[in-house]
Amino acid sequence: AQSVTQLGSHVSVSEGALVLLRCNYSSSVPPYLFWYVQYPNQGLQLLLKYTSAATLVKGINGFEAEFKKSETSFHLTKPSAHMSDAAEYFCAVHTDNQGGKLIFGQGTELSVKP
Amino acid sequence: DSGVTQTPKHLITATGQRVTLRCSPRSGDLSVYWYQQSLDQGLQFLIQYYNGEERAKGNILERFSAQQFPDLHSELNLSSLELGDSALYFCASSVGAVSLGTDTQYFGPGTRLTVL
Repeated sequence: AQSVTQLGSHVSVSEGALVLLRCNYSSSVPPYLFWYVQYPNQGLQLLLKYTSAATLVKGINGFEAEFKKSETSFHLTKPSAHMSDAAEYFCAVHTDNQGGKLIFGQGTELSVKP
Repeated sequence: DSGVTQTPKHLITATGQRVTLRCSPRSGDLSVYWYQQSLDQGLQFLIQYYNGEERAKGNILERFSAQQFPDLHSELNLSSLELGDSALYFCASSVGAVSLGTDTQYFGPGTRLTVL
């Protein structure tokens, strides 16, 4: 069965600092991986997705993630944090043998200090 | 704005009651998904419909049911409500059946259900 683990339920960074949110997946078949962001009182917005075309994926708002099969990881990074990045971030996995469902990690809340 | 609409935004009801949540997918999307977000369980997939037919099922309780209508909107029915059903319920839509992971799911703003 597929699963996703996000290391760290809370991450705090200073404005301008590197953002690193960790995601590890477990899958017996090639996975598709996603990062979603949820701002307070809003739905989930897709940041980026990995669909096997390229291991380094660039998304919106300056975020990117690298798929590392050997480490079963898909960590999300942003070189310089902005106050507006404060939100909850979810990593999710989908596999073709599971129908349409996304399996989400528990989420990481990002705080950005001025 | 994802293009997915959900109504109502908030719902407060009592234990034992029944409620219906409604979702309208993005124009052109044939698949609708329902997810439940709660503090203890996180984001859990409930059910998927594709062009009116059930396509995938997750950890959906027997007290819960859903359907997708010919105009492609979907309703999630929750009955015999319990305190533990209080959660944020999201609807998402995608173009196809997501048999391929290249299809993206777009999420609505959610319906917050409070059971008192």
